[in-house]
Amino acid sequence: NAGVTQTPKFQVLKTGQSMTLQCAQDMNHEYMSWYRQDPGMGLRLIHYSVGAGITDQGEVPNGYNVSRSTTEDFPLRLLSAAPSQTSVYFCASSRETNTDTQYFGPGTRLTVL
Amino acid sequence: AQSVAQPEDQVNVAEGNPLTVKCTYSVSGNPYLFWYVQYPNRGLQFLLKYITGDNLVKGSYGFEAEFNKSQTSFHLKKPSALVSDSALYFCSTGGSWGKFQFGAGTQVVVTP
Repeated sequence: NAGVTQTPKFQVLKTGQSMTLQCAQDMNHEYMSWYRQDPGMGLRLIHYSVGAGITDQGEVPNGYNVSRSTTEDFPLRLLSAAPSQTSVYFCASSRETNTDTQYFGPGTRLTVL
Repeated sequence: AQSVAQPEDQVNVAEGNPLTVKCTYSVSGNPYLFWYVQYPNRGLQFLLKYITGDNLVKGSYGFEAEFNKSQTSFHLKKPSALVSDSALYFCSTGGSWGKFQFGAGTQVVVTP
């Protein structure tokens, strides 16, 4: 099993550009989520999905879109990048929501100039 | 609303000494609590969790955590710290419909 994979590892964008961060898991997990990690703020939930076709907003959803067309994939779209979106982004998956261990991808380091 | 707090930004400990990383929680209903570790430039890795049962939970790499309902705490412990334990540690609570909450993280520095 590859676990949770994320691409790209690094990305530099200019303000106003759009891009998609890819996330895939091969564990047949129903639950997937996107977090951003900023110094001193821990991980903050952006969007999550409890199954294919079902997504919902987390704590900091503004400026980001998601979709879940398959169990395996959960891409995160930045519609119009802003410097405030400079962060490290992590995708995670788990079998269930409240009680199950989350498996994290290696992260994408995004810089918006 | 579910939340966790990690009161210490950094914990410094000498190798071989006991290590404690503190976490307190505020949860409505049954608390589901997790500890994760993050090494530099890596994703988070699961250490242990409390769902129900024994208050002392044993996890990976010799770590354990004690669930204390009266003090609403879930402190992470290791009897004898190693230099390789230097990392960023996160406490987390499992929320309804997948809304996990994470603490701000505690940097552990173990000196030889």
